[in-house]
Amino acid sequence: GAGVSQTPSNKVTEKGKYVELRCDPISGHTALYWYRQSLGQGPEFLIYFQGTGAADDSGLPNDRFFAVRPEGSVSTLKIQRTERGDSAVYLCASSLTPSANTGELFFGEGSRLTVL
Amino acid sequence: TQLLEQSPQFLSIQEGENLTVYCNSSSVFSSLQWYRQEPGEGPVLLVTVVTGGEVKKLKRLTFQFGDARKDSSLHITAAQPGDTGLYLCAGDGGSYIPTFGRGTSLIVHP
Repeated sequence: GAGVSQTPSNKVTEKGKYVELRCDPISGHTALYWYRQSLGQGPEFLIYFQGTGAADDSGLPNDRFFAVRPEGSVSTLKIQRTERGDSAVYLCASSLTPSANTGELFFGEGSRLTVL
Repeated sequence: TQLLEQSPQFLSIQEGENLTVYCNSSSVFSSLQWYRQEPGEGPVLLVTVVTGGEVKKLKRLTFQFGDARKDSSLHITAAQPGDTGLYLCAGDGGSYIPTFGRGTSLIVHP
C-alpha cells in the first residue's frame, strides 16, 4: 500500500516480556516519528528519526524503550521488561521533510499494546 | 515543553449546529496543524497555518491562527455526523517535532 504500515495491529503480552513494534513508512519519506497515545489523550512524542539517525529521543520514557531505523526506512520500536503502564496505542508517522513549517505527518493506524 | 490546551474536551451536538473548538498555549509556534482522528485510525491532517492572523477555509471548516501565533480555533458550520471524531491541534516551535494537544472529542447526532 501507499500509506504508513504498522505491525502488529494488536499485541497482548505479559508483564516483563519483550515486544517489538514495526513501522514501514511511505517510500521516500526521510522523517519518521513514534508517538504513544493513551485513552483520552493526544499523541505523546517518543522519538524522531531523520534518515537513519535518531535526531531526538527525548520523549522515550526510560531506558526500557529503544528504537532503530538501520537503513533509513523501516523502524522498529523495542520495549524491554514491559509494564502495565506501557499499555497504549503506539503510532508511527512519516514526513517527506522535517515537519517544521508545513510538513504533513502521515500516520499509520497504530499498534495497540496491552500488557497484562 | 510546549503545552497545548484544547477546549472543550468533549462536545455532543445535533446535526446542523455550529461549533467552535479552541487550541491555546503560552508558547509561540512557527506553525500549527489541525488533525482529525477516527477510532482505530491514525490522525489525518486537515490544515496547517503558519502566519499570525491567518484564516483558512476547508468547505464547512474554518481555521484561524492567532495574531501572536499562540492559539488557534476551528469552527464547523452546519455539523454533520461525518464530522464525528477527535480533533487534535499540533504545534511546532521549530524543533521539527509537533507537540499535540489532548484533543476535542466531537459527536454529531443525526
